[in-house]
Amino acid sequence: QVQLVESGGGVVQPGGSLRLSCVASGFRFSTHGMHWVRQAPGKGLEWVAFIRSDGSNKYYGDSVKGRSTISRDNSQNTLYLHMNSLRPEDTAVYYCGKDYTNWAIDYWGQGALVTVSS
Amino acid sequence: QSVLTQPPSVSGAPGQRVTISCTGSSSNIGANYDVNWYQQVPGVVPKLLIYSNNIRPSGVPDRFSGSKSGTSASLAITGLQAEDEADYYCQSYDNSLSASVFGGGTKLTVL
Repeated sequence: QVQLVESGGGVVQPGGSLRLSCVASGFRFSTHGMHWVRQAPGKGLEWVAFIRSDGSNKYYGDSVKGRSTISRDNSQNTLYLHMNSLRPEDTAVYYCGKDYTNWAIDYWGQGALVTVSS
Repeated sequence: QSVLTQPPSVSGAPGQRVTISCTGSSSNIGANYDVNWYQQVPGVVPKLLIYSNNIRPSGVPDRFSGSKSGTSASLAITGLQAEDEADYYCQSYDNSLSASVFGGGTKLTVL
């Protein structure tokens, strides 16, 4: 069965950086695009970033563009999100998700909580 | 302010039919990009409910249906059940942002 397991969350000071990881199993990772989506406490879903299966194209939401980099290692079935210049408003649960078709996410990880606070 | 606009809340009695709208613009839904819908029960990971405007993934009851017209899309739920109480989100792609976007979400209350 498909499993996505995020790690790397925690408490970070404003201005700091963080790298989230998502280890995938149960499907052919190298043939699927992957997403990051976040959800601030008590708020709605916010799409963060997407990377194509071969890493050739990357897309970012406005709120993280220029401060974040999505990447992947298909040999390790792992997706990454590196975030810089973190702000309190980046505090959220970050989910990785498997792309199905037309930007639809059919499997989600359990999420990693990132708290940006001094 | 979300690029895709949803009503903050809707409600209905068990057995009734409710619809949730998702209003976009000429750079997303109106540009013929597909709309996807998700259900999120509080404290649980989101679940894909409808993709490509009107297709249900395996296991999703046929009480859920999606449609799209012009710059808007809708999710309809018939035969409302208590377990349908959740937050619902629409999603599409926006070519002016070169990014995917979610609606702000709609809280469905089953009375």
